[in-house]
Amino acid sequence: GESVGLHLPTLSVQEGDNSIINCAYSNSASDYFIWYKQESGKGPQFIIDIRSNMDKRQGQRVTVLLNKTVKHLSLQIAATQPGDSAVYFCADLPNSGYALNFGKGTSLLVTP
Amino acid sequence: NAGVMQNPRHLVRRRGQEARLRCSPMKGHSHVYWYRQLPEEGLKFMVYLQKENIIDESGMPKERFSAEFPKEGPSILRIQQVVRGDSAAYFCASSITPGQGRSTDTQYFGPGTRLTVL
Repeated sequence: GESVGLHLPTLSVQEGDNSIINCAYSNSASDYFIWYKQESGKGPQFIIDIRSNMDKRQGQRVTVLLNKTVKHLSLQIAATQPGDSAVYFCADLPNSGYALNFGKGTSLLVTP
Repeated sequence: NAGVMQNPRHLVRRRGQEARLRCSPMKGHSHVYWYRQLPEEGLKFMVYLQKENIIDESGMPKERFSAEFPKEGPSILRIQQVVRGDSAAYFCASSITPGQGRSTDTQYFGPGTRLTVL
């Protein structure tokens, strides 16, 4: 079935390095994508979003890249900090929809 | 501006009991969404409500589960005759408007209610 999935379940990076978290989607009708961060025991926190008419969007220390040709989404975190340790989810919305479709998540561990 | 509030944060029930989960959306938000998260999995959509209306309950089990968002007060997710398989984290989100792309469509999540069924 149609789904949003992540390439790697865990990612370990050193403090100060850049992190890249990848996501593949299969629903060609999706045209809106969001990244959420979830810390242990908390709800998902909105990080950044992107529409399908864009291929790149930047926020504070984060960049989302969208490759519609291969249906791939990535989240780049610059100068990763210990506070970035969390599970990161990509989610998509089908065209004209409102029910977020979440992937399983990537656990990011930042080591000193 | 307070965020989305959910209570209780933790709920323990024995099999066969009822669970009532409450969600107060952010101020100015009239669209509420409920999601369920099983351990080490992503969130799964359950139901979308506006004030006094269920718009989409396609993700909700047909039996034992119900949701409401009354004119006054919080949104309630109710699970009757709970079973062990209902153990999960239940998250509520709210938005100003439904849809995608506009800043007012962004869904903001509460801290969740962790339900444990013994």
